[in-house]
Amino acid sequence: GEDVEQSLFLSVREGDSSVINCTYTDSSSTYLYWYKQEPGAGLQLLTYIFSNMDMKQDQRLTVLLNKKDKHLSLRIADTQTGDSAIYFCAEPSNDYKLSFGAGTTVTVRA
Amino acid sequence: DTAVSQTPKYLVTQMGNDKSIKCEQNLGHDTMYWYKQDSKKFLKIMFSYNNKELIINETVPNRFSPKSPDKAHLNLHINSLELGDSAVYFCASSHHTGRETQYFGPGTRLLVL
Repeated sequence: GEDVEQSLFLSVREGDSSVINCTYTDSSSTYLYWYKQEPGAGLQLLTYIFSNMDMKQDQRLTVLLNKKDKHLSLRIADTQTGDSAIYFCAEPSNDYKLSFGAGTTVTVRA
Repeated sequence: DTAVSQTPKYLVTQMGNDKSIKCEQNLGHDTMYWYKQDSKKFLKIMFSYNNKELIINETVPNRFSPKSPDKAHLNLHINSLELGDSAVYFCASSHHTGRETQYFGPGTRLLVL
């Protein structure tokens, strides 16, 4: 995605926290999204944050939004082997499409 | 029970053939999309339809023709398939606009030989 940037790889030990970072460009975005794609599977909506929020927590997931820097992060606490997947950050780039980052491949090692 | 479904899940075909992929959503959404995911996992919008009308055609070759017979269906027909068309094609839908949450189908893995 040309407007949304993410680092490509993250390796984390089981039980540790994972932090995936993303920068976006459209300051008028109403929602920002994290999608998860497991190997050979489709895209699953993991969580989202409304643009007037700084933080959203949902069980092991914490989303932080810094609107000034256009920076979004996803923290996964107590990372498990089932968290191994590609994580995509996405923002609406107009009324009818999502722009995706290139995806961060998270590998959880024992 | 399935929200957004696609058929087929896998499609293997020869160069030059014509093929179709079907998508259906039972969420009552107004807007449907086709995205392409290439071998590097980049996801890019191809088409958006709102209430059966084409809204976005993102510089996709005219060998690709989407058709929306009704709000719940968006099919993708591809003529004269080329090797570079090999990818995973995802259908998605959202309530009204793309600024609302989009729900994705399981994907159709197309391999052109």
